[in-house]
Parts: sequence; C-alpha cells; structure tokens
Amino acid sequence: GQNIDQPTEMTATEGAIVQINCTYQTSGFNGLFWYQQHAGEAPTFLSYNVLDGLEEKGRFSSFLSRSKGYSYLLLKELQMKDSASYLCAVNMNRDDKIIFGKGTRLHILP
Amino acid sequence: SAVISQKPSRDICQRGTSLTIQCQVDSQVTMMFWYRQQPGQSLTLIATANQGSEATYESGFVIDKFPISRPNLTFSTLTVSNLSPEDSSIYLCSVADGAGYGYTFGSGTRLTVV
Repeated sequence: GQNIDQPTEMTATEGAIVQINCTYQTSGFNGLFWYQQHAGEAPTFLSYNVLDGLEEKGRFSSFLSRSKGYSYLLLKELQMKDSASYLCAVNMNRDDKIIFGKGTRLHILP
Repeated sequence: SAVISQKPSRDICQRGTSLTIQCQVDSQVTMMFWYRQQPGQSLTLIATANQGSEATYESGFVIDKFPISRPNLTFSTLTVSNLSPEDSSIYLCSVADGAGYGYTFGSGTRLTVV
C-alpha cells in the first residue's frame, strides 16, 4: 500500500527555523507537494518538487530526495501566523490524483 | 490558478437523509477530486471525477454511498447518501492547476449529521 509519514506535531519559537520531514513509500512517483492548512480553512499550495534538490520560495524551502523517498519543508524566520498544519502529498502519476500524509501540526510560541 | 466555488459551506442533516455538494470551477478541467477530512485528520481521497465517464473510487469508498456527477468540464457534485453520524466531516473538491502549480481546493463543506 501507499505510505506517507510525517510527525504529528512540532513546536518552535517565533523567529526561529523549523524543518518538517516527510517520508514516502508509494507505487509510483510524479512529484511531491507541501500544503499549509489553517484551522477551518482549505489547504493552500506551498511548494512542488519533482526533481532532487532544494526549491526556495521566500521564507519557505522544500527539499526532495527521490532515492531516499524523503522530503522536508523548511520554514525560516517563523511568524505566529505560521501556526498551522503542514501536509505532505504525493502525486503517484495515476489519474493525476495526490495522496496526503496525516499532516504535521506546527505550534509557534512567542 | 483556478477558482472553485463550493456549496453549501455547511449543513446539518438528519440521519438517513442525503446531502449533495456542488463545485463550480472558473475554467475547464479534465479531472476533479473529492476529499473527506474528518475532525483533526488529514485529507482522504474519495474519488476522481472525469467528465463523460464513471468516477473512480478509492478503496473503502463506494458509488452507492458517494454518487458523483460530472456533467461538464467545470462542474461536479458529490452526494453523501444514507447519512450517519460517522459521515460528519468536511468534504472538499479539488482540481489540478497544471504541472508544478499545485492543486486548488474549494472552501469545503462542513457536514454535521444528527
């Protein structure tokens, strides 16, 4: 079966850096997404990696290693508004659907 | 990116009834996806809706319980049938925005079954 693992919860301090890891074992792979979801809201797209390496977008960066089935999302200069759930999702190249991990709830402390 | 209008935003339904959720997209898309998000949980894919063919359901989800319509390339409905309290959840539709641009989600429908 398909398996996408990420930590359930993490806590970090305002202004600091946090890395959220995601490991996956899927029958196919055509890219990995990171989404942010605030409570009561729909997920919003953060990043997409299909090739190995680091993609940087402002305070957020995402890394992918396909050989290791591993990705991380790096958040820098944390702000209180970054308190949210972060969802790792994999496109397995079947009907273009994406499968989500269970999400990591990030708490930011002042 | 695509803009999705999802209705209703919330509803409270009686046990044994059905609820139909609508999603309207501002552009033509080949596939639309329906997800369920139970309280405190991540998103679980229910089915993929293709225009002109039967929806493709994920393991654990069946057409009799979650019938889907896809009459054209901008619209889809998901019906949750024979409701029970276990169906209380948020239901979201989603479309792909194109390679590398992520998937856009509707604002969600919060269903409470009493």
